[in-house]
Amino acid sequence: DGGITQSPKYLFRKEGQNVTLSCEQNLNHDAMYWYRQDPGQGLRLIYYSQIVNDFQKGDIAEGYSVSREKKESFPLTVTSAQKNPTAFYLCASSGRGGTEAFFGQGTRLTVV
Amino acid sequence: DQQVKQNSPSLSVQEGRISILNCDYTNSMFDYFLWYKKYPAEGPTFLISISSIKDKNEDGRFTVFLNKSAKHLSLHIVPSQPGDSAVYFCAASPGRAGGTSYGKLTFGQGTILTVHP
Repeated sequence: DGGITQSPKYLFRKEGQNVTLSCEQNLNHDAMYWYRQDPGQGLRLIYYSQIVNDFQKGDIAEGYSVSREKKESFPLTVTSAQKNPTAFYLCASSGRGGTEAFFGQGTRLTVV
Repeated sequence: DQQVKQNSPSLSVQEGRISILNCDYTNSMFDYFLWYKKYPAEGPTFLISISSIKDKNEDGRFTVFLNKSAKHLSLHIVPSQPGDSAVYFCAASPGRAGGTSYGKLTFGQGTILTVHP
């Protein structure tokens, strides 16, 4: 079945450590996105990529990094520079000419 | 600066009645509007969308209305069912003005809908 897979579903990190969240899609979509959701808030855009080997900062990119070496994959690294990393992270993709984004099931990151 | 606002954090309706969720936006560059439904600890699922060239789009029990002059849209669910209970997010996109990135969305804060049997 086509879709977006995020792993792991739950992730715990010690303060000061970098951690990488995985996002894979087999929808043949060109564009991929990372969003963050905090309690009582909407989703906020961290980074997005419209094509392989290219990506742009979203509204809250500080403390995060991404790469887009393959069309199918768009991993997000939460670095130690991110002040409040505990959140629910969502990956999405959209296709050329498509009219909506499809989301993965999310990764809940907790800093302990 | 909240460019997309959902001013009602929650809404409670009786099964069979109409649910109306509202959304306001400020950015005139938004060209495409979407509603997503989300359950806790899951990703949002797409419900319905509308282009700025239309004022209404209907899909089964769901209808979205767009008032471009007022920068306001609403989602009507008729009849409401208990399974509709979830968080509903309004989202806006620059559409084609944003290149191919229809997924570059600006979200509202969400409205928690509870449908009572």
